[in-house]
Amino acid sequence: QQPVQSPQAVILREGEDAVINCSSSKALYSVHWYRQKHGEAPVFLMILLKGGEQKGHEKISASFNEKKQQSSLYLTASQLSYSGTYFCGPNFGNEKLTFGTGTRLTIIP
Amino acid sequence: KAGVTQTPRYLIKTRGQQVTLSCSPISGHRSVSWYQQTPGQGLQFLFEYFSETQRNKGNFPGRFSGRQFSNSRSEMNVSTLELGDSALYLCASSLEFGNEQFFGPGTRLTVL
Repeated sequence: QQPVQSPQAVILREGEDAVINCSSSKALYSVHWYRQKHGEAPVFLMILLKGGEQKGHEKISASFNEKKQQSSLYLTASQLSYSGTYFCGPNFGNEKLTFGTGTRLTIIP
Repeated sequence: KAGVTQTPRYLIKTRGQQVTLSCSPISGHRSVSWYQQTPGQGLQFLFEYFSETQRNKGNFPGRFSGRQFSNSRSEMNVSTLELGDSALYLCASSLEFGNEQFFGPGTRLTVL
């Protein structure tokens, strides 16, 4: 049931764009996205709800495709501070988030 | 507003022992979730508590248990420790499950 994230790792130069995908084998109720920097706790980025509502507070966008059971996170004009491991956490309609294994993003100057 | 606190931050135990980890959520948050984080498996859900009730549990053996107190503070217990239990244990609190989760710094458990 663990969602599959792709790519597993990516290296970008500052200013480039990135897309991180999260695919599930089950129907999604909502998807949470978190970023974890090395040695730190995960930090909330965004929640996407069934029906298209999006809740977040960073300059990062995301999409949620119910039919494809997939969510994508879009990072545009990446900054050095975007480096870290990104986790998607789908919710299947219960009080549980099933996180993916993460995508390691490295931004270089 | 104080963040989520976890104690202790580091623990070293030997196989067969048991351990109790503590989590104090952000004031006003009633939902507390616990996760195990290892390099190979990522973040694995352990359980979620709300108003002292466990509402969901992950796929972990019965050696892993938890509880939540009336002040929303939560503890998790691991009995008969195994080498594979070595991990970072994170707790996260939220107003209600489904909202933004705030993670604590974690407890690093090493089992020798």
